[in-house]
Amino acid sequence: AQKVTQAQTEISVVEKEDVTLDCVYETRDTTYYLFWYKQPPSGELVFLIRRNSFDEQNEISGRYSWNFQKSTSSFNFTITASQVVDSAVYFCALSSTGNQFYFGTGTSLTVIP
Amino acid sequence: ETGVTQSPTHLIKTRGQQVTLRCSSQSGHNTVSWYQQALGQGPQFIFQYYREEENGRGNFPPRFSGLQFPNYSSELNVNALELDDSALYLCASSLFNREYGYTFGSGTRLTVV
Repeated sequence: AQKVTQAQTEISVVEKEDVTLDCVYETRDTTYYLFWYKQPPSGELVFLIRRNSFDEQNEISGRYSWNFQKSTSSFNFTITASQVVDSAVYFCALSSTGNQFYFGTGTSLTVIP
Repeated sequence: ETGVTQSPTHLIKTRGQQVTLRCSSQSGHNTVSWYQQALGQGPQFIFQYYREEENGRGNFPPRFSGLQFPNYSSELNVNALELDDSALYLCASSLFNREYGYTFGSGTRLTVV
């Protein structure tokens, strides 16, 4: 069975603070893909990153960084020096079949100016 | 390059009625997936269409049905609406069997009263 758990329902930080969003996944497949999406109030899901199960290299993109650890089945997302524009709901997702995403329940991030 | 467009944006229906939601896929994409996102939850996979045929289905009853047209646009039909069908319905287009490159629309907010 495929499952994604985002234990943090809501997080509030003050602008310029760093924040980490946790994601834990479950799958029996050896080949799979992990994603992070951002959902602003407008509703669309905005793609942030994709990692495959064979690439455990951490990635940094500007203020965003991702830590993938297969040993703990985690794919955490850190925003450095948070900004008000980062306020949104963030979803972690898992896919191994190519035709279906399994999403977590999301973490609502509020950045207070 | 146009993105994914969905119509209508908002819709209010009465329990027991039928509804049709529409999705125009991104240029160059041949696969359309539909997701249901209840308030405060992550998106749940309904089904995917490729070459005008259903290519995978989530845990949704048969009263949820779909169509894909030769131009790759798609419809989601829901019969005998129930109050629990109230949700944001998201459409995503992609190339077949690619875990990446999904483009999501902004969704249709359906309210069943």
